[in-house]
Amino acid sequence: SYVLTQAPSVSVAPGKTARITCEENNIGSKSVHWYQQKPGQAPVLVIYYDGDRPSGIPERFSGFNSGNTATLTISGVEAGDEAAYYCQVWDTTSAHWVFGGGTKLTVL
Amino acid sequence: QVQLVESGGRSVKPGGSLRLSCAASGFSFSDYSMTWIRQAPGKGLEWLSYISFSGNTIYYADSVKGRFTISRDNAKNSLYLQMNSLRAEDTAVYHCARCSHTTLTDPWDIWGQGTMVTVSS
Repeated sequence: SYVLTQAPSVSVAPGKTARITCEENNIGSKSVHWYQQKPGQAPVLVIYYDGDRPSGIPERFSGFNSGNTATLTISGVEAGDEAAYYCQVWDTTSAHWVFGGGTKLTVL
Repeated sequence: QVQLVESGGRSVKPGGSLRLSCAASGFSFSDYSMTWIRQAPGKGLEWLSYISFSGNTIYYADSVKGRFTISRDNAKNSLYLQMNSLRAEDTAVYHCARCSHTTLTDPWDIWGQGTMVTVSS
């Protein structure tokens, strides 16, 4: 089955750049979506189709997908960005949606 | 205001059944595919099931296939999840979400706040 691997946690100082990765063999051939989830809240779509940003999402959020790694980049990290981030792909082989295990972003 | 509101979650014994509902408002429900996702306490997101806007295409995760049934009533702007043979590991917050467009691979742009299901003896 298709498994997306994310680091459990990432820490970054305010104003710095956070990079959250999602790894799987040849993930670059698939479209990746990213969701942000703050404690006690529903997930929010922050990046779709690898690098597109929904309206209302700051330009500080960007995405890239190539080879075996998809990356969500948050520039100029703010305290309000502290959340769990999940990557997601559609696996055509199994006809399943698959989530990564999630990365908890801590702003120091 | 575009909104999804889940209901029906409660505590149930192992082997029991439950039907969750998701009420949609603020958009043309019949134009959108929908999906159910759950999150066990302290765990990550798990996709459960997808239903196309017409109801003609349905997919299930292996963990719930044969036990859960997704359905929709476009006249009532509602999505449902019938859950049978419930197990302790089904304990989670259950969210419904809207697929942003009509293509299967489209992301989910609107999520409900979720309803809690607890399976315990």
